[in-house]
Amino acid sequence: GQNIDQPTEMTATEGAIVQINCTYQTSGFNGLFWYQQHAGEAPTFLSYNVLDGLEEKGRFSSFLSRSKGYSYLLLKELQMKDSASYLCAVPHDSGGYQKVTFGTGTKLQVIP
Amino acid sequence: NAGVTQTPKFQVLKTGQSMTLQCAQDMNHEYMSWYRQDPGMGLRLIHYSVGAGITDQGEVPNGYNVSRSTTEDFPLRLLSAAPSQTSVYFCASSYGQIPSYEQYFGPGTRLTVT
Repeated sequence: GQNIDQPTEMTATEGAIVQINCTYQTSGFNGLFWYQQHAGEAPTFLSYNVLDGLEEKGRFSSFLSRSKGYSYLLLKELQMKDSASYLCAVPHDSGGYQKVTFGTGTKLQVIP
Repeated sequence: NAGVTQTPKFQVLKTGQSMTLQCAQDMNHEYMSWYRQDPGMGLRLIHYSVGAGITDQGEVPNGYNVSRSTTEDFPLRLLSAAPSQTSVYFCASSYGQIPSYEQYFGPGTRLTVT
């Protein structure tokens, strides 16, 4: 089966850098997604990593280490609007089709 | 494009009632899925479809039915509502089979069963 572990909550200061970690166990690795979800809203796609290393997209970067079953999302120059939950998700084969298992999410609070 | 739309946004049901949650997308996506989100549980897959006429069960399918007669629509039916089905329901679609493609989520339906 699949197992995903993320911290439940984090707090960081506006303008700072925060790293949100995700560890996973899955049979047959097919990449890892990060989604952002503001309170009361739908998740929106942030990144997809399938190879080891760091991928940067503006203020957001995502890192993957397949050998360690580990990923992190790095948010730079934090803004108040970054207060949200960040969901780690891994796709996996099941019965010939792909499904996605989501972690429980990390709720980030950005404070002034 | 409207993206992924869901109706209704809010619904209150009594135990034993049935209803259908509607989901539609106008992006010509083949892959569609239904999730429920509960506090502390994350998003859990209920049912999914890889194309018109093809559906399969996810992690928590009991008490729910789906069908996919067109590419655009993927309704979720609650057969006999129970308080344990109180949740936020999200429909999602993607261009192709995961993992290569990200999912686009609808705004959600907030369901309360009393």
